[in-house]
Amino acid sequence: DAGITQSPRHKVTETGTPVTLRCHQTENHRYMYWYRQDPGHGLRLIHYSYGVKDTDKGEVSDGYSVSRSKTEDFLLTLESATSSQTSVYFCAIRSDGSNSPLHFGNGTRLTVT
Amino acid sequence: AQSVTQLGSHVSVSEGALVLLRCNYSSSVPPYLFWYVQYPNQGLQLLLKYTSAATLVKGINGFEAEFKKSETSFHLTKPSAHMSDAAEYFCAVSGVRSGYSTLTFGKGTMLLVSP
Repeated sequence: DAGITQSPRHKVTETGTPVTLRCHQTENHRYMYWYRQDPGHGLRLIHYSYGVKDTDKGEVSDGYSVSRSKTEDFLLTLESATSSQTSVYFCAIRSDGSNSPLHFGNGTRLTVT
Repeated sequence: AQSVTQLGSHVSVSEGALVLLRCNYSSSVPPYLFWYVQYPNQGLQLLLKYTSAATLVKGINGFEAEFKKSETSFHLTKPSAHMSDAAEYFCAVSGVRSGYSTLTFGKGTMLLVSP
């Protein structure tokens, strides 16, 4: 999977607790992304990064924050998890070049009870 | 307004039949277009991409797609379906937001293949 590792692969947490998901890449790519996948909605962009400490919001960023202190790591944090954030979260990376495709990790299944 | 539309959340074919999965897009700039496949409990895998070099693009596993600017379409086809093609397929476009930095995905089409 193009040198992308997501952790944890599965997590169950309670409403109101903070949660951090990690994405680690070994490709030294500049761009990293967090998407969520929900039935009937496809994949929706949460946040993305175009370099260390450079991030921007996607279409469903409310309730999420991100950080990128190193090229290889991109963290997604749910400050106070809600049941609506139960989803499968995918990290993706992309090399420079406007026509470069995204390469995806295997996902993290998060359940908020 | 939706920028990527995949017609049909489910498509059923028989093994050996033609596969046609439809994708229409809207973009104010020349787009780059992609098809991805997702098998159960896995991430998305790139099938093929259109980058303006040729309108007919060949991908992995015998799939191909044709970019038609006049119809704003990028439909995915395969002449003969195999059981192993059963999966969910996503069309994606860049150039919709944030320049070409991000991909916008359609809602997906589940391909069901019967013997």
